[in-house]
Amino acid sequence: QQQVKQSPQSLIVQKGGISIINCAYENTAFDYFPWYQQFPGKGPALLIAIRPDVSEKKEGRFTISFNKSAKQFSLHIMDSQPGDSATYFCAASRPGNTPLVFGKGTRLSVIA
Amino acid sequence: DGGITQSPKYLFRKEGQNVTLSCEQNLNHDAMYWYRQDPGQGLRLIYYSQIVNDFQKGDIAEGYSVSREKKESFPLTVTSAQKNPTAFYLCASTPGGFPHEQYFGPGTRLTVT
Repeated sequence: QQQVKQSPQSLIVQKGGISIINCAYENTAFDYFPWYQQFPGKGPALLIAIRPDVSEKKEGRFTISFNKSAKQFSLHIMDSQPGDSATYFCAASRPGNTPLVFGKGTRLSVIA
Repeated sequence: DGGITQSPKYLFRKEGQNVTLSCEQNLNHDAMYWYRQDPGQGLRLIYYSQIVNDFQKGDIAEGYSVSREKKESFPLTVTSAQKNPTAFYLCASTPGGFPHEQYFGPGTRLTVT
């Protein structure tokens, strides 16, 4: 119930291509779904987040798609660049100050 | 210049020794968290604190201890009881009412031999 399942574990994309990372959850009490980006040797940083009453949110080349009925959400990186190579974590939060539930991460490599 | 600082960046200890990792924030955030990161394991929650002088165990608290005597500080002690302490440790904080907006520190890589 508390898990967020993330796939794939690793992803290799050609420069200019679209990177897609998927997450699924069970707990319908989750009310916010952020994505974090982590470069090697650094701490993660909040990239983009979405509420379940919105089906899509776009910030630059990064888009979250949200399917409430399927309890799934995904991150799309358009025109992927080598600088996007990082580990991406999806997460979910519940109302109140309870900790985030993180997916296990996807290691993205964008090759030229 | 606000943010979260963790020190040191690299830490080496002998097996059997306790070691304390520092985490300080000047963001005036209420909640603070400690995570452990191992390759392929994602972020695993060790302890968290939502208010001064109070903290809760996370998913993997065994062998760790924390204190929260000041709002700005949340040190983590890795005790000799922790079976496999070598890992990358991350501290984070969130403003009150916004648990999804976690601000992470740069991390401390602990190696125990």
